[in-house]
Amino acid sequence: TQLLEQSPQFLSIQEGENLTVYCNSSSVFSSLQWYRQEPGEGPVLLVTVVTGGEVKKLKRLTFQFGDARKDSSLHITAAQPGDTGLYLCAGAGDMRFGAGTRLTVKP
Amino acid sequence: SQTIHQWPATLVQPVGSPLSLECTVEGTSNPNLYWYRQAAGRGLQLLFYSVGIGQISSEVPQNLSASRPQDRQFILSSKKLLLSDSGFYLCAWRRTGSFDEQFFGPGTRLTVL
Repeated sequence: TQLLEQSPQFLSIQEGENLTVYCNSSSVFSSLQWYRQEPGEGPVLLVTVVTGGEVKKLKRLTFQFGDARKDSSLHITAAQPGDTGLYLCAGAGDMRFGAGTRLTVKP
Repeated sequence: SQTIHQWPATLVQPVGSPLSLECTVEGTSNPNLYWYRQAAGRGLQLLFYSVGIGQISSEVPQNLSASRPQDRQFILSSKKLLLSDSGFYLCAWRRTGSFDEQFFGPGTRLTVL
C-alpha cells in the first residue's frame, strides 16, 4: 500500500495570501493527481503530474512533482474565498487518497 | 458524455437497520467502480472496488458489502448498521485499465442514529 501524507491538515488564511500544501510518500508514483472537494460534493480533478520535476500551472495554482516522484506540492498565489475546500492527492492508478488539506480563505 | 448517479442523496437510519446505496454510471462501458466513505472533515477511505460484473475487492473489513449485478451498477449494502457507519459515501468510476481521473458521484450523506 502506497501511503500518502498531506500537510498541513488545516490551513486558514486571509484573501490575497499565498500558500503551499504538500503531499509526501515513501513510495515512487508513476503519476500523481490533485483533486479539490467542496462541501457536500464529490472531488474534482485539478491536475495530473507525470514527469519527475514537472511543474504545471492552472491559473493561480502551481503544481510540482518531485524529482524522485515521491512527493508533490500545490502552491496557490493570491488565494481567494473560492479556493476554499479540501485538497486531496492520490497516486494515479492507485485508488487511495491522502487525508487532505482543508483550506479556508477568509474574505 | 458520461454521468454518475447516486441515491439516495441523504439517509437517516436507526442502528441495526439494513442499508442499500446505489450507484449507476451512464455513457461508458466496463468501468472500474469504487465506493469510498468520508468522515466529517476527513479524507476518503476506500471501501470496495470492482473491475467487472460480480468482481468485488474489499479494502477494509467491516459490516458493509458491495455488489455489481450489472456492468454500470454498483451497490453498497449492510445487514445491520452501526453508529460508526455514519458518513458521506462516494461512488466513483474510472476507465478500465487507465490512470485517468476518477469521476465522483454527488454522494450520499448517511446518518445512523
